[in-house]
Parts: sequence; structure tokens; C-alpha cells
Amino acid sequence: DGGITQSPKYLFRKEGQNVTLSCEQNLNHDAMYWYRQDPGQGLRLIYYSQIVNDFQKGDIAEGYSVSREKKESFPLTVTSAQKNPTAFYLCASSTLGQGGTEAFFGQGTRLTVV
Amino acid sequence: QKEVEQNSGPLSVPEGAIASLNCTYSDRVSQSFFWYRQYSGKSPELIMSIYSNGDKEDGRFTAQLNKASQYVSLLIRDSQPSDSATYLCAVTDTGRRALTFGSGTRLQVQP
Repeated sequence: DGGITQSPKYLFRKEGQNVTLSCEQNLNHDAMYWYRQDPGQGLRLIYYSQIVNDFQKGDIAEGYSVSREKKESFPLTVTSAQKNPTAFYLCASSTLGQGGTEAFFGQGTRLTVV
Repeated sequence: QKEVEQNSGPLSVPEGAIASLNCTYSDRVSQSFFWYRQYSGKSPELIMSIYSNGDKEDGRFTAQLNKASQYVSLLIRDSQPSDSATYLCAVTDTGRRALTFGSGTRLQVQP
């Protein structure tokens, strides 16, 4: 069953704690992305990666970190430096075509600070 | 910063009517344009992609692109209550080959 799997679906973080969100894809896509969505807002790009062992900051990278050790996996760590982490986090993947290609999303992780 | 603009709505249409959703973008060299549907609490689902000027039809959906005006739209014919969702316009940022999203238009189809 091909697709993008995010886990967990819900995550609760205490103040000052780092948490890691998992994203795995079996679509053989080269590019992977992390977006954040706040209520009533569009999606904002946190980090993206187009090749293993390489990634770039998006528009709101502060307080987040990523790794891309395998083509299939692109975990996101929300660090204690992220002061307002409560949001819906979405992972996506795509092929790399000229000018851009369609991106497909996982089911998301809803992170709440308690 | 490159921007994608959408009217937040809600856009309310009666069942069976045509819903028209609009989007403008600032990056003149963008080549790829997408419409995603997002139900409340769910992740976005790709419904249309368009790459060249003109119309592209897929079932009840038609995407329209006008690169000279930097404008892309989505028409939904014979709207159904199940079409009620937020529709997100996305444009490829050619500099980094990642999607930039608008804030979405909420569509309500009244039975």
C-alpha cells in the first residue's frame, strides 16, 4: 500500500521538551517536505529535502531540526527553542520534475503543548 | 517573499450550483499550479494540477490558468454538500522547488 505515513497522529509536549515527528514514504519520491498549519491558516514550509543527506530551511525553520539519512524517511524534531509549537504538522513528498511536480501528504500529526 | 492570495470566504453556494474559487500569485516565473481540498481536521488532498494557460477539466472540476494575469481558478460544477471543505491553492516556488500555499477558501454547499 503506497503512501506517506506520519506518526504519531496526536502528540503532547511538555514545556522545554524536544519531540520528534516521524514521516516515512514508500513512493520512491526524491523530495520530502515539512509544513506547519495553524487554525484557519494555510501551510507554511519548515524544511525540505531533495536528496539524501541534504536539506534546506523553509520559511519558519527556527526551533526545528530535520535529518534525511534515508530516502524514505524525513523526521522532524520540534525543539524547546520553538516557543509556540502547538499546530498541525504535515509531511509531503514529490518527484523532482522540471518546474515542480505534485506533492502528496501524510495524514498529519497534531502537536499540543501541555 | 513570494505570495499566494485567496479569499478566505466562506463561499456559500446552493447544491447543484457552480462554485468558483480564485487565487493570485506573485512569482511571475512559476510554472506549476495546484488545487488541494482539505476537510476539517484532515490533510490536504490533491484534486487538480495545471501547468499551461487555459482550462483543464477533470470530472466536475475545471482549473483555469492565466499566467499573464498571474491568476488561477477552480470551478466546481454541480456542487454537492460533500464538496464543503477548504480549498488550498498552491504554486511551485521555482527557486527552491517547493510549494507555496495560499491560506485557503472555505466552501459551504447548502443542501
